[in-house]
Amino acid sequence: GENVEQHPSTLSVQEGDSAVIKCTYSDSASNYFPWYKQELGKRPQLIIDIRSNVGEKKDQRIAVTLNKTAKHFSLHITETQPEDSAVYFCAASSSNDYKLSFGAGTTVTVRA
Amino acid sequence: DTGVSQDPRHKITKRGQNVTFRCDPISEHNRLYWYRQTLGQGPEFLTYFQNEAQLEKSRLLSDRFSAERPKGSFSTLEIQRTEQGDSAMYLCASSLRTGVGYTFGSGTRLTVV
Repeated sequence: GENVEQHPSTLSVQEGDSAVIKCTYSDSASNYFPWYKQELGKRPQLIIDIRSNVGEKKDQRIAVTLNKTAKHFSLHITETQPEDSAVYFCAASSSNDYKLSFGAGTTVTVRA
Repeated sequence: DTGVSQDPRHKITKRGQNVTFRCDPISEHNRLYWYRQTLGQGPEFLTYFQNEAQLEKSRLLSDRFSAERPKGSFSTLEIQRTEQGDSAMYLCASSLRTGVGYTFGSGTRLTVV
């Protein structure tokens, strides 16, 4: 089955700086890569996703890049704000079933 | 219909008891997924349905677990003879077959004492 590894496990950044989270996946059949933000006690919420026919996608301060050859994808958050503090999960799946395999999560803390 | 609803939000049960959780997906979504999340970990896939058909079950889903989705609408997840290791957040998600709108519910937090 799919194995997704996520680094780092914790990330502390100064407000206004950028944050980068990296994930690798093992199954070459995976072609859908969403990122979720989960605040304490709340549901995972989709913040951005990318499909394997695209190398990069951006939505305001958030961007995701995908390298299919190397089987890794990354989340970039620019101009971080205190409300960006949360746990971020990467995931991978195929478009056959959208059964998500999640990374272990990155706890992001934005220092004011 | 503004999202995926799960009931109850919290459940405390004694070891050995049976529990049942309910998930109401977004009405037009024909796919429904169950995940389990323990503290400090990402959600783990348990099972999923397309309409009323259960298409896949994870090896994590022991014989004590059963899920149904009668008539392709709401789904139930039952755990029989609960064990302390079953304590976790049980998340439901739904989507269209294309994956568009993949949305999680708020989850049911199970504590087995």
